[in-house]
Amino acid sequence: EAGVAQSPRYKIIEKRQSVAFWCNPISGHATLYWYQQILGQGPKLLIQFQNNGVVDDSQLPKDRFSAERLKGVDSTLKIQPAKLEDSAVYLCASSRSGRENEQFFGPGTRLTVL
Amino acid sequence: QKEVEQNSGPLSVPEGAIASLNCTYSDRGSQSFFWYRQYSGKSPELIMFIYSNGDKEDGRFTAQLNKASQYVSLLIRDSQPSDSATYLCAFHSGSARQLTFGSGTQLTVLP
Repeated sequence: EAGVAQSPRYKIIEKRQSVAFWCNPISGHATLYWYQQILGQGPKLLIQFQNNGVVDDSQLPKDRFSAERLKGVDSTLKIQPAKLEDSAVYLCASSRSGRENEQFFGPGTRLTVL
Repeated sequence: QKEVEQNSGPLSVPEGAIASLNCTYSDRGSQSFFWYRQYSGKSPELIMFIYSNGDKEDGRFTAQLNKASQYVSLLIRDSQPSDSATYLCAFHSGSARQLTFGSGTQLTVLP
């Protein structure tokens, strides 16, 4: 079974630029999560999708962050414009519907904002 | 007040010893508790989950939950250098069912 795929693995941008991350979950996993992990901290949930609907986006900074999962499979997370404090690893995870206890994480995208 | 507090690290133990990792949480509605392991530069991987008070054993790992005291711990017996990683405590609250993570404890097992 293929794992959660993410791209790119690394990205370096300047502040005020835009950036997008892509995630493809494990096949058959209806629930998809985006987390932000700042160095030295645990992951923080940004948004959770169930199929193509948003379940929770309470911690997503909506003035600059957006995410979509139009066809209920892969997802993109965008930051526009980026700030220095957005430097972090962005992790995508997925789980089967009703099995939120078993989340599988992708390798992450390390973003550096200069 | 932080929702999840983990014992400050880094923690170093000699090979073969027992490593003890602790976590306290503030949400009394929490029902499910998890321990994730994260190697440097890698993504978190689930190693244990526990729902009921008491102990749960899986190989060299034992998770302990005390809901009255609002703490959960992870014991690693016969620690190996390959156990060196950051261990993240996390919990679900029943209503939101979103995972809330602690900041992690870095464990180093010395050969």
